[in-house]
Amino acid sequence: KAGVTQTPRYLIKTRGQQVTLSCSPISGHRSVSWYQQTPGQGLQFLFEYFSETQRNKGNFPGRFSGRQFSNSRSEMNVSTLELGDSALYLCASSLAGPYEKLFFGSGTQLSVL
Amino acid sequence: SQQGEEDPQALSIQEGENATMNCSYKTSINNLQWYRQNSGRGLVHLILIRSNEREKHSGRLRVTLDTSKKSSSLLITASRAADTASYFCATDAMNTGFQKLVFGTGTRLLVSP
Repeated sequence: KAGVTQTPRYLIKTRGQQVTLSCSPISGHRSVSWYQQTPGQGLQFLFEYFSETQRNKGNFPGRFSGRQFSNSRSEMNVSTLELGDSALYLCASSLAGPYEKLFFGSGTQLSVL
Repeated sequence: SQQGEEDPQALSIQEGENATMNCSYKTSINNLQWYRQNSGRGLVHLILIRSNEREKHSGRLRVTLDTSKKSSSLLITASRAADTASYFCATDAMNTGFQKLVFGTGTRLLVSP
């Protein structure tokens, strides 16, 4: 079974631009969670989708959004990028929900210049 | 905010020695999990222990949970250089409605040959 796939692996953007990150979960997994990881704040929960519905959301501004498609693939979008958005963005999938065993992708390293 | 705090923040040992990491959390939980992260990569699930369990083993890993003290420990026996990584505890915190995993700050483990 293929693991969680995140694309792209690396991304360089400038302030004010927007970015879309993609995540393909493990086949059969309907829950997809997104996390932001930075050296200063650690791993912060962004949001979780299950069957195309956002079930949970973390404390991030509205510039951060996401969606999930009928095949469970998920995308997250960050608009009007700020320098502080530079981080490793991790996607994780699970069978039932974000509180059970999570399978993580390798992440997208976003650098905002 | 972080639900879990790992201790120590960093640990340096020699191959063959045991490594113990501790995690403290703040609110009631249903389960506690430990994950490993190699530098700049995604997290890998190690073990899940439920609130009604006190100890769990998986290969060279032993996890204990003390819900009265709101703490857990991860013991890696006979460590190897390949165990070098960051280790995180994660809990499904009651203050989130048990609806998401909240990760701790992590312990950086360095195992020298």
